[in-house]
Parts: sequence; structure tokens; C-alpha cells
Amino acid sequence: GQSLEQPSEVTAVEGAIVQINCTYQTSGFYGLSWYQQHDGGAPTFLSYNALDGLEETGRFSSFLSRSDSYGYLLLQELQMKDSASYFCAVRGGANNLFFGTGTRLTVIP
Amino acid sequence: DSGVTQTPKHLITATGQRVTLRCSPRSGDLSVYWYQQSLDQGLQFLIQYYNGEERAKGNILERFSAQQFPDLHSELNLSSLELGDSALYFCASSVATGTGYTGELFFGEGSRLTVL
Repeated sequence: GQSLEQPSEVTAVEGAIVQINCTYQTSGFYGLSWYQQHDGGAPTFLSYNALDGLEETGRFSSFLSRSDSYGYLLLQELQMKDSASYFCAVRGGANNLFFGTGTRLTVIP
Repeated sequence: DSGVTQTPKHLITATGQRVTLRCSPRSGDLSVYWYQQSLDQGLQFLIQYYNGEERAKGNILERFSAQQFPDLHSELNLSSLELGDSALYFCASSVATGTGYTGELFFGEGSRLTVL
């Protein structure tokens, strides 16, 4: 089976940097994805790491260490619109995704 | 707009009833995934279909079933509904082949089911 752990809540100041961590346990690792979900909305894809290292996409970056079963999402230059829930997800063998319970990010002025 | 269409958007029904949720994937996507999201919970993987065939199964109850039709749209059937089945049900689609996998699923806006 799969098990993912994320902090339940994080609060950060507008303009700052925040890191959301994710540790996972899975039988057979294929990759780690990150999704954003605003209240009542659909999850939207942010990034994907299959190999160790950092992937950067604009203000968002994602890191993976397969040896540590650990990844994180880094959000820079926080904006109020970044207030949302963020989910890490491990890829299964059929390319399906198993999601963590999510981290609710609140950005304050 | 992800290109994935789900109907109905909202559904209110009573315990013991049966409902069908419908999903049209993005044009060209062969895989359809169903997820359940209860209040303030994560996304629970239910089931995946690829080109009409069941590909993977998650924590789907025996009261629930799904299928993918030749035109690639999918339906999730929920029967003998219980109060605890109240949730947001998401459908997602992807190309889902091995090479060029990007980790991206495209989610619909969800169907909110309320069981009274």
C-alpha cells in the first residue's frame, strides 16, 4: 500500500517563501506529484519528480530524494491567491496517483 | 478549464438510493480515474479505467461500480447509499502511457453528492 505524510496546516506571510514537506512509503516508487486545490475547486497539477533533484516552474519548485522517501514543494514570493490546499501524490504502477491528506496553506498580509 | 466534464455538479438523494455520476475525459485521453474526497479529507483513489478496461482498483466499496464505454466516457454507480457516502467525487483523465508520462492528471470540477 501507500502512505504519505504532510503537515496539515502552514501559515506564511505574503511575499515570503514556504516549504511543504512530504514523506511517503510505497511498494514500488515511480514518481511524486504535487497538486493545488482551492476550496471547492478541482485539483490542478503543479509539478512532478521522477528522479532526485529540484524541478523549477516559475515561483514553484519541487524536490525529491528517493533514498529518503521525501519530497517538498517550495513556493516563493507568496501571493494571497496561493492560499489553498497542497497535496503530494505518489504514482502507482498503473500511472494512477495516491494522494496525501493535504496541507492547507494560509497566506497572510 | 481542464477539458474534463462531470455531471451532475450537485446531487441530493436519500439513504438507500442509487445514483450515477458521469465523466467525459479530455479529447484523446484514454485513462479515466475516479476519486472520492470527503469533507476536509484527501483524495481517495477509487478506480481507474484505460481504454474500456479496468486498470487499477483502490478503496472502492462493493456498493460502488464503474465502467468506461467505447466512446471513453465513464460512469460511477453508487448504490445503497449511506450518509457517509456524502462527498465530492472527482473524475480525472490522462493519456497514461508509459513514455512521456508527466505526472499530470486533469481533473473535472467534481460532482458533489449529499445523502440525507
